[in-house]
Amino acid sequence: GQQVMQIPQYQHVQEGEDFTTYCNSSTTLSNIQWYKQRPGGHPVFLIQLVKSGEVKKQKRLTFQFGEAKKNSSLHITATQTTDVGTYFCAGRRHGQNFVFGPGTRLSVLP
Amino acid sequence: DADVTQTPRNRITKTGKRIMLECSQTKGHDRMYWYRQDPGLGLRLIYYSFDVKDINKGEISDGYSVSRQAQAKFSLSLESAIPNQTALYFCATSDPPSTANNEQFFGPGTRLTVL
Repeated sequence: GQQVMQIPQYQHVQEGEDFTTYCNSSTTLSNIQWYKQRPGGHPVFLIQLVKSGEVKKQKRLTFQFGEAKKNSSLHITATQTTDVGTYFCAGRRHGQNFVFGPGTRLSVLP
Repeated sequence: DADVTQTPRNRITKTGKRIMLECSQTKGHDRMYWYRQDPGLGLRLIYYSFDVKDINKGEISDGYSVSRQAQAKFSLSLESAIPNQTALYFCATSDPPSTANNEQFFGPGTRLTVL
């Protein structure tokens, strides 16, 4: 079945440093979504990518969908303590449900 | 008020007990989902429903059952709870993929402990 992997599993950064998490699918995806879960909270939708090679930005966050639509990345510039949490990607094949990756837990040291 | 609510928020039960987790939504979405979250494993789909008369098994449905009582209500049952069902359970809702984002809206979660 479809598998979605994420690396790294954990990342500790100093406030102000950049952060990147990578998402890889075993199959070609129709679209991919990213979610953020704060400690003790629930996943909250960040963005959806649909097109091959698509790049979207939300303030300090940059999301990219690979040309082959099998991988994606989330990059945070100049992390802040408010960025702390677990970031999940979720990939969907056409006609299927989304499959979530295991997540990358980000810690930001002030 | 929250768009997706779950009850109870926390539950401790014993092996062999039947337990029901409930989910209600005011989003007006037809699609509802039940996930479990375990450390390092992300969110895994248990069951999903695309409308009141539609129930589908997800990735890990063994040991679980669901009921879609109305468009707004989707409950998850553990017929005979076992310790490895200890996890954080999330309900979610969404629009169909044809809509702009079809993002999933998650409830606050139910932390279940089976002793």
